[in-house]
Amino acid sequence: GNSVTQMEGPVTLSEEAFLTINCTYTATGYPSLFWYVQYPGEGLQLLLKATKADDKGSNKGFEATYRKETTSFHLEKGSVQVSDSAVYFCAPSNSGGYQKVTFGTGTKLQVIP
Amino acid sequence: ETGVTQSPTHLIKTRGQQVTLRCSSQSGHNTVSWYQQALGQGPQFIFQYYREEENGRGNFPPRFSGLQFPNYSSELNVNALELDDSALYLCASSLPGSPAANFGPGTRLTVL
Repeated sequence: GNSVTQMEGPVTLSEEAFLTINCTYTATGYPSLFWYVQYPGEGLQLLLKATKADDKGSNKGFEATYRKETTSFHLEKGSVQVSDSAVYFCAPSNSGGYQKVTFGTGTKLQVIP
Repeated sequence: ETGVTQSPTHLIKTRGQQVTLRCSSQSGHNTVSWYQQALGQGPQFIFQYYREEENGRGNFPPRFSGLQFPNYSSELNVNALELDDSALYLCASSLPGSPAANFGPGTRLTVL
């Protein structure tokens, strides 16, 4: 089955710093790739997605590019805000058959003023 | 457009009891998946329902079961609760064949 490796957190940044959260995955076939975000005490929100190689997903200043050759989907943001403090999950979905998303343990981001 | 809703928000049960959690899918979404998220962990796939039938299951024992209704809402039932069942249970809905899932806010289950 699919698996995900994310950089361990917590990641602590000052406001307006550049963010990178690394993600690599193993999957069969051609998975779609997602980043989900979970704010304290809440459920998961879809942050961005990419469905094929070299696609770039973007939302709210966050970006990630589907790199099939390196099986990576790193999350970046040029200038983080305190409100970005949350746990971020990289997640591939299986290709074919039923749609199942595989989550890693997540990376906690803390942004300090 | 109404998103995914779940009830109840919080629930406390004792070991050995049974519990039913409910989910209403996003309007137009006929596929529902359930996930278990233990504290500090990522969500783990329990199962998925499409057209009222289970069409995929993760590594969970049979005491985890579900239903989907004609209006696409869904229930997750857990029998013989164990302490390790304490977790946030997340429901997600999607269109068939669509890789993107919209998650509900979750039900926090505590087993004492």
